[in-house]
Amino acid sequence: SAVISQKPSRDICQRGTSLTIQCQVDSQVTMMFWYRQQPGQSLTLIATANQGSEATYESGFVIDKFPISRPNLTFSTLTVSNMSPEDSSIYLCSDLTTSGRKGNEQFFGPGTRLTVL
Amino acid sequence: AQTVTQSQPEMSVQEAETVTLSCTYDTSESDYYLFWYKQPPSRQMILVIRQEAYKQQNATENRFSVNFQKAAKSFSLKISDSQLGDAAMYFCAYRRGYGGSQGNLIFGKGTKLSVKP
Repeated sequence: SAVISQKPSRDICQRGTSLTIQCQVDSQVTMMFWYRQQPGQSLTLIATANQGSEATYESGFVIDKFPISRPNLTFSTLTVSNMSPEDSSIYLCSDLTTSGRKGNEQFFGPGTRLTVL
Repeated sequence: AQTVTQSQPEMSVQEAETVTLSCTYDTSESDYYLFWYKQPPSRQMILVIRQEAYKQQNATENRFSVNFQKAAKSFSLKISDSQLGDAAMYFCAYRRGYGGSQGNLIFGKGTKLSVKP
């Protein structure tokens, strides 16, 4: 399985600022996703990070608030812009490979715990 | 739209005993995947087991097994010989059977499992 790392692991930010979260996978993967997990809740998909093109956002999430980049097959960033306390969540990066022995298994990074004051 | 329902917010099991976590889902697709993920307090999402909808045989991984009832759209997880390290949130998840923009996971709300020594 691919090993996924995220930076930072946690951060405390002030209202109105922005934070960029990095996701690095140690092998080329077919798809990368960003999820949000609000306190005590399940995971909700923010967007699919597309390599070399604009991300595909889910209903309720917009590019101006959550700009995403994916310059290559192993790296993606998620920015949480103009933060408010409601953005306090765990943000998780995930990958999907559709081939090989581990094809169709989806793995997650360790998450970034964001607290907005 | 696909939905995943976990009707047990919390479950408890005695160490070395067996526990079953329930999951039902709703879909009109015939080709899909089902997963159980474990999330301990460290918040790392760990893939426990995977089931392909086209396979009639129930998946097993060591002490973990599933009871997949396709007609009933039921996908329960059985943990045998429960260990203290099994204590965690368990999420049931669904994914369509092909990639593209629908490669993301849809999660249930989770079941918090406690293991008593």
